[in-house]
Amino acid sequence: EDKVVQSPLSLVVHEGDTVTLNCSYEVTNFRSLLWYKQEKKAPTFLFMLTSSGIEKKSGRLSSILDKKELFSILNITATQTGDSAVYLCAVFNQAGTALIFGKGTTLSVSS
Amino acid sequence: GAGVSQSPSNKVTEKGKDVELRCDPISGHTALYWYRQSLGQGLEFLIYFQGNSAPDKSGLPSDRFSAERTGGSVSTLTIQRTQQEDSAVYLCASSSSSSGTGDTQYFGPGTRLTVL
Repeated sequence: EDKVVQSPLSLVVHEGDTVTLNCSYEVTNFRSLLWYKQEKKAPTFLFMLTSSGIEKKSGRLSSILDKKELFSILNITATQTGDSAVYLCAVFNQAGTALIFGKGTTLSVSS
Repeated sequence: GAGVSQSPSNKVTEKGKDVELRCDPISGHTALYWYRQSLGQGLEFLIYFQGNSAPDKSGLPSDRFSAERTGGSVSTLTIQRTQQEDSAVYLCASSSSSSGTGDTQYFGPGTRLTVL
């Protein structure tokens, strides 16, 4: 059965800390892995990863994929209170028609 | 439009009533998806439309749920005889196509459905 597992489920840090969020997956016919940030309702797209070992970076956020070990990490450096959100990891199903999501990591950044 | 839009943003209904939720995808996007997010749960796939092809309905939880997409654009998700367990946020997403690697899905703000 295709599945995505994220850890930790929740995390509380202080402003300025660096955090690493984990995502492991099992899926038949892997296509790509996506990270989203969800603050209220709409998940907003962060990264799509298709190749192992190639880091994607956007400002203080970065992510990398390991297709051999079937996991990805999302790093956030110098965290800010605006980074507080639920971070969702997802992979495409076998047919490539839908995303399978993990339950998310709730990040709280205190000032 | 600039992004995916959904209406209504909130819907409160009584058990047993029917509800319709609407989604307007990003202009030009041929693929449209519906997901459901229940309290404390991850997003759960419901249905997928791609162009004029038959939809993938494999995620619909029961025959009370149906969806249609008219003219390859706007989609309506209908829940008949609503139950309390249908209470959730219903999210719509669209993408430009369904390629071999999968295309980025962009989400709307969702409709929060509460069944009393």
